[in-house]
Parts: sequence; structure tokens; C-alpha cells
Amino acid sequence: NAGVTQTPKFRILKIGQSMTLQCTQDMNHNYMYWYRQDPGMGLKLIYYSVGAGITDKGEVPNGYNVSRSTTEDFPLRLELAAPSQTSVYFCASSYGTGGTYEQYFGPGTRLTVT
Amino acid sequence: AQSVTQLDSHVSVSEGTPVLLRCNYSSSYSPSLFWYVQHPNKGLQLLLKYTSAATLVKGINGFEAEFKKSETSFHLTKPSAHMSDAAEYFCVVSAGSASKIIFGSGTRLSIRP
Repeated sequence: NAGVTQTPKFRILKIGQSMTLQCTQDMNHNYMYWYRQDPGMGLKLIYYSVGAGITDKGEVPNGYNVSRSTTEDFPLRLELAAPSQTSVYFCASSYGTGGTYEQYFGPGTRLTVT
Repeated sequence: AQSVTQLDSHVSVSEGTPVLLRCNYSSSYSPSLFWYVQHPNKGLQLLLKYTSAATLVKGINGFEAEFKKSETSFHLTKPSAHMSDAAEYFCVVSAGSASKIIFGSGTRLSIRP
């Protein structure tokens, strides 16, 4: 049982480039989330999904896109990378809504945009 | 509306002494409250959660927290700090919806030998 896995662990992008952050969970959780963590700040919700085919915006969705074609996978797409997107990105999943149920987090992707 | 405030950005204690990490919250609804721990270069892990059952909640690794509605607080405590407790700790408040989960800014706990 690997839990939540994320790839890559680190990435450096040039301004204007695009990339996809991968997230996979093997716990058959319905809910999945993408957060970003900036230095000295708590986690901010980018997008979340309550099941395959259903996604919704969180607090800071601008500059990002997501899809959820399967229960297991929830990739995050960055289009036209900007320095403001330099951050650590965490994917999480939960059995039910993370407002009540425990969230399980991946190890994170550290992204630098220069 | 909801908010959460972690009152200390950094706490330093000696090994074997008590730990107190403070968290105040604001919520229009009956909240669920969580404490998560993040070790360096790792993802977050649940320490404990309160979801309207017992007000004193016990978690992993000897941590516990008490929900005090009158003080709108959910402070995290541990009787005796261990070197392995050095990490970042996040207090989280939620009204139950997936989109209404608010993370505090974190408290870095350092342990002195």
C-alpha cells in the first residue's frame, strides 16, 4: 500500500513553460486535493475532486487546471508558468470529505519557476 | 466564515519538558479540528482530530488536544518532548465541506538536547 505518490519530487521551470504534476493514490479514496505551501504559510487549496469526473476550484485556482478521469489519478497542470507559482505542491486524498475525515498527503513536489 | 490562528510561529523546548502549541479558531458552524505534523521534506500526517465527540482528544506519539468552545481554542500538548518531535505542526479547522478546510500558518517545534 503506497498511499499517495507524487512525481516529480523537484522541478525547475522557465517562465512560460508548462508541466503536469502527477498524483496517484491506491486507497480507493473518493476525495482528492491539490494544495500549495509557500514559506511561512499554511496550505492553500488549489483544486479538489469528490470523485472521478468531478472537480472544483479551491481558494487559489488561477494558473492551474486539473482532471480526474479515474479514482486513482488526479494530475495538476500548470500552464504558462510564472515566478508566483514557485512553491511546494502537495496532493492529498481522503475517504470522505477532508472536512471530517483524515487527509493522507503525498511527499510533495518542490517547483521553482525562474 | 472560518479562520485559524496559530499563536506561535516557533516554539523551542528542552527534551523531556512539556510541549504546548497554541491554536485559536473561528467558525460559524460546529467545526471539526485537526492537528497535522510535517517532518522535514515530508508530507503532512494526522496527529489527532476533534469531530464533536469527547473534548479531550488523544493522538499519536503521546500528543493530545483539548477543545474549549468558550475560548475557541484547540491547543496541542505533550507531557515530555522527544527529539523526534522536532517538526512543523499545523492546526486545521473545517466546517465539513471539502472546500472549507483552513490550515493555520504552522508552528515550528524545536527540541533542545
